[in-house]
This record gives sequence, structure tokens and C-alpha cells, in this order.
Amino acid sequence: DAMVIQNPRYQVTQFGKPVTLSCSQTLNHNVMYWYQQKSSQAPKLLFHYYDKDFNNEADTPDNFQSRRPNTSFCFLDIRSPGLGDAAMYLCATSRGGERDFGSGTQLSVL
Amino acid sequence: GEDVEQSLFLSVREGDSSVINCTYTDSSSTYLYWYKQEPGAGLQLLTYIFSNMDMKQDQRLTVLLNKKDKHLSLRIADTQTGDSAIYFCADGASKIIFGSGTRLSIRP
Repeated sequence: DAMVIQNPRYQVTQFGKPVTLSCSQTLNHNVMYWYQQKSSQAPKLLFHYYDKDFNNEADTPDNFQSRRPNTSFCFLDIRSPGLGDAAMYLCATSRGGERDFGSGTQLSVL
Repeated sequence: GEDVEQSLFLSVREGDSSVINCTYTDSSSTYLYWYKQEPGAGLQLLTYIFSNMDMKQDQRLTVLLNKKDKHLSLRIADTQTGDSAIYFCADGASKIIFGSGTRLSIRP
């Protein structure tokens, strides 16, 4: 059973049209992460929540925002997607040494 | 800042052993991970090692950790065509930082 669930698996949006990707977990992990992965590249950390504390990476564009309304859910909001934002977006959770990834959302921008 | 480095490509003959190497900079790393990613798929956790261990073996996989040199390796014994993938080393001190990935290809 999937324990880190990302919806949808594929998302298509238009240039400049806001889009939200979602992640939920059944593990009760206290840390949640969002990564961006472009083709043939390593996943790049965008931000993470340690409990309710939000931690933004220095080079994450302002276009990317995140919300974590409770332990189980975390959202990635892209306010004005550009063509360069087309990528796989991976959600991950952790508690101590446990690390779990969702299957990702592949975002296309038309 | 934290950095994790890997060689980009490795080609091995089917049935041989594959050794994928990784170096990291964060001396406070508590856990180090190896992930496998096949085309179009998410990340699959293969194995991880605590920083107070030197070696971990799990079936065909052997992880070696040299904490002094900040060097991590993954050995895959009896490499099969199904092992073709990109392998990412990851440092999990406070947040997960990935290496660039090593693309493993298998020759018949």
C-alpha cells in the first residue's frame, strides 16, 4: 500500500496558470519535502517542513510556494508556471532514518 | 553547503559486479542512502547505512562506508539487465541531498 501518495500522477497546465500539486502520507512522519527533478538530473530540494516549520532553499524561485495544513498533507503551489517548470515533482517524508518517496507528479506546461 | 558527488556513467558486463562510488561533504550525516530510478519512474530506496557502520550487506547489494574519507560505495553482485537504471547516492543528515546519479548500463 502506498504510504506517500501524490496526486495526480500527470498534470498538464497552461503557461501562467496556477497549479497545485498534492501529497499525503499515512506514516505520521514529521518532515515533508518537495523536490523538483528534470530529465536525467538529480532531484533538487525546493523546500521542506520540519513539523510546522517551513524551510526554503535559497535558490528556490518565488514562483514556488508550499502549504502544510496538517501532518498528513503538503501542497506545492506554482503561481505562474513557465515552460522551465515542466518536471517531475517528488514528495518525500521522513522521521529519523526512515525516508519514503511518493511516485511523483509529472508536470507539463503548454 | 552540503554536496554529494558521483560519476555519471558505468558500464558493466552482465554477471559481473558493479561498483558505484559517491563522496559527500557533510560530516554530520547520520544516514546515507542509495536509490534506484528507472526511466519514468519514481525513486526506489535500495538500502541505507547508519554513519556508525562500515558495511551493510543485503542480498546482492553491499554498501561500504569510509567515514574518514566521506566515501560511500554500492556494490551490486552478479549484475543483471534489470539492474539498468540511474543510481542516486543521498545524504540524509538534516535534509536529503542527492548526488547527480550514476547511469548503469549492462553489456551482454
